[in-house]
Amino acid sequence: AQTVTQSQPEMSVQEAETVTLSCTYDTSESNYYLFWYKQPPSRQMILVIRQEAYKQQNATENRFSVNFQKAAKSFSLKISDSQLGDTAMYFCAFMKPVYSGAGSYQLTFGKGTKLSVIP
Amino acid sequence: DTEVTQTPKHLVMGMTNKKSLKCEQHMGHRAMYWYKQKAKKPPELMFVYSYEKLSINESVPSRFSPECPNSSLLNLHLHALQPEDSALYLCASSKQGGGEDTQYFGPGTRLTVL
Repeated sequence: AQTVTQSQPEMSVQEAETVTLSCTYDTSESNYYLFWYKQPPSRQMILVIRQEAYKQQNATENRFSVNFQKAAKSFSLKISDSQLGDTAMYFCAFMKPVYSGAGSYQLTFGKGTKLSVIP
Repeated sequence: DTEVTQTPKHLVMGMTNKKSLKCEQHMGHRAMYWYKQKAKKPPELMFVYSYEKLSINESVPSRFSPECPNSSLLNLHLHALQPEDSALYLCASSKQGGGEDTQYFGPGTRLTVL
């Protein structure tokens, strides 16, 4: 089974500080893709960052970076210089075939971490 | 441009009504998805269309009927829904539906069934 676990239901961070959100996953695949999405109160699911498992280098997008540890099956998200607009639910997601051998893929999400940025 | 649009933003319907949700993308993507998201839960896949053909139906009740009129449009027809179907319905699209693709989401339709 391929599962995604986010162990922190809620977190808070002071504006301008750094916060790290945890995610672990379980898979028997050797090549796969991992994502972080944010969902603010407006409900739009917005892509934050993506990581290909075959790449050693950790992905970065401006203030957002990941710490990808393939052997440990860990994929944490670091947000630097937190801003009020970062307040949102953050979902870690794993791309997997809808069923074994399927040509279509689906995102399997963790339960989410609700992040609040405090002024 | 990574925009997926959905209409309406909000929908309230009775259990005997028939309504439709609409989704549109102009990114040239050939795979489109419907996800259902209950309050305080992650999204769950309902349907996948690949090259305008339904490729995945995740055991969704027949009161939900998807339609893909062309590669840019995806509809979800609703009939005889139950109050437990109240949720946020998210549409997404990706280039070809492969495992390497990124899925881009629309803003969702908040559905309330009375």
